[in-house]
Amino acid sequence: AQSVTQLDSQVPVFEEAPVELRCNYSSSVSVYLFWYVQYPNQGLQLLLKYLSGSTLVESINGFEAEFNKSQTSFHLRKPSVHISDTAEYFCAVSDDNTNAGKSTFGDGTTLTVKP
Amino acid sequence: NAGVMQNPRHLVRRRGQEARLRCSPMKGHSHVYWYRQLPEEGLKFMVYLQKENIIDESGMPKERFSAEFPKEGPSILRIQQVVRGDSAAYFCASSPSSGIGETQYFGPGTRLLVL
Repeated sequence: AQSVTQLDSQVPVFEEAPVELRCNYSSSVSVYLFWYVQYPNQGLQLLLKYLSGSTLVESINGFEAEFNKSQTSFHLRKPSVHISDTAEYFCAVSDDNTNAGKSTFGDGTTLTVKP
Repeated sequence: NAGVMQNPRHLVRRRGQEARLRCSPMKGHSHVYWYRQLPEEGLKFMVYLQKENIIDESGMPKERFSAEFPKEGPSILRIQQVVRGDSAAYFCASSPSSGIGETQYFGPGTRLLVL
């Protein structure tokens, strides 16, 4: 069985500061990892995903995440955040033993960017 | 190029009534997933359907909950005899295939409140 742990439920930061949202997973087989963002009263939007290849993946809006197999982590980072990055962020995992799309989600991290 | 649509966006029911949630996937998508999000928690997988078939319902409560995705029309998640614990946000996602790592596109959700 797979599980996802997002270590911080709330992360407050000031605008233009760097941020890291932590995500650890457990799975006995090869995994596929995702970060989603959810703005208030909206559905989830895919931010980035790791399937294979380069362990560093990037999104179009400046976020990046690195797959670390030895530490079973997939932390999300951004070097300089904007007010508009305020949202809830979910890490998710699926693997070869599950139906593709049946992802296991973490409980989310609320990122609040303050001016 | 409409995204995933869900209606209603908000639904209020009294205990014992039925709740019927609808999801229209993106055009060309034949795979639909339903998730439930309880307050302060991440999304929990409920059921995965393709047209006219339930592929995986391992996350569905055994009683009172059912889902369908008919040949024509939206996917329906039906909750009979609702209880207060059913209050949650229900999200639908769709994808064009079930390939490993396939991106899911989420709807805005239906927020169910049971009085």
